[in-house]
This record gives sequence, C-alpha cells and structure tokens, in this order.
Amino acid sequence: GQSLEQPSEVTAVEGAIVQINCTYQTSGFYGLSWYQQHDGGAPTFLSYNGLDGLEETGRFSSFLSRSDSYGYLLLQELQMKDSASYFCAASSRRNTNAGKSTFGDGTTLTVKP
Amino acid sequence: GAGVSQTPSNKVTEKGKYVELRCDPISGHTALYWYRQSLGQGPEFLIYFQGTGAADDSGLPNDRFFAVRPEGSVSTLKIQRTERGDSAVYLCASSSGTGPPYEQYFGPGTRLTVT
Repeated sequence: GQSLEQPSEVTAVEGAIVQINCTYQTSGFYGLSWYQQHDGGAPTFLSYNGLDGLEETGRFSSFLSRSDSYGYLLLQELQMKDSASYFCAASSRRNTNAGKSTFGDGTTLTVKP
Repeated sequence: GAGVSQTPSNKVTEKGKYVELRCDPISGHTALYWYRQSLGQGPEFLIYFQGTGAADDSGLPNDRFFAVRPEGSVSTLKIQRTERGDSAVYLCASSSGTGPPYEQYFGPGTRLTVT
C-alpha cells in the first residue's frame, strides 16, 4: 500500500524555525509535495521536490532524500498566520501516468506569540 | 484569473439518494483530481483525469462512485445510493498536466452530509 507519516502536532513561537518531517512508503514514487491548509480553507501548494536535496521558496524550504524515503518542510521566521495544517503528499506513477497523489494526515502547526 | 470552482458548496441528502458534485477547473488545465477529506485527515485520492480520460481511478471506494469529464474541462462526481459514511468534504483540484503533479490548485470543496 501507500502511506505517509508525519507528526500530528507541532508548536513553536513567533520568529522561530520549525521542521515538519514526513516519511513515506509509496510504490512508483515520483516526488514529494507540501500543502498548507487553514481551518475551513482549501489546501494551497507550497513546494515540490522531484530530486534529492533542498528547494527554497522564501521563508519555506523543503528537502527530499529518496534513499531514506524521507522529506521535511522547514518554516523560518514563523508568523502567527503560519498556524495551519501542513500536508506532505507523494506523487506516484501508475503505468505511464504520473498523477496520483497520496496525502499524509497532516501536521497542525500552532504558532504562539 | 478565476480559480477552481465547485458547486454546490454544501449538499445535504438522505441516505440512499443520488448526488452530483461539479468541478470547474482553471481554464487550460488538462489534469483534474478529485479527493475527499474527513475531519482531521488529509485529502484522500479518488480519481485523476488527464484530458477527458480517467488516467487513474484506483481511489474510487466502490462502484457507487463514478466521475466524468466529457469535454476535458468540467467534471462531475456522481455518487449513487449515498451512505452516511460518504459524508465528507469533496475537493477538486486542477494542474497544468505537464509532467508530475507539481502544483495542484484546489477548489473550496463541497461539504456533503448524508442523513
């Protein structure tokens, strides 16, 4: 089967750095994406890693290690508005079609003043 | 430009009834995805379209669920003989469709409640 594991909750203070880890078991693994979802809202795309290494987008960075089936999302200079749920999602290939995305159950980040 | 839209935003139906949920993707996006999300969980993959064809329907839970995208744009998710366990937020997403699913744009979802 396909599964992703991430911590259920993380708490940090404003201005700090937080890392959200994700381990996956996915057949036909293609890449790892990260999404943010505020309460009552739709998921919004943050980052994608198709290759090993670090991808940086402003205050957010994401890392992938295929050999370890592991990735993480790094959030720097935390702001109160970063309080949300964060999902890792593994994309996988079925036959010749790359498109299926399997999501983890999400990590609820609470940023405190 | 316009994002992904879904109608209705809320749907309450009785057990055993038939429902249709509609998704309008971003114009020009060839890939379209359906997910459902229950409280406290991540989106659960249902089906993925590339153009008009279902490229991967392995997430549809049973034969009560069916989705179409006849002209490669709007998609309809159809649920027959609804059950209380079908209650969830049904999310639609679209992407440009080139290469892996780098960035999926999600709609606001349809909250389905089966009583």
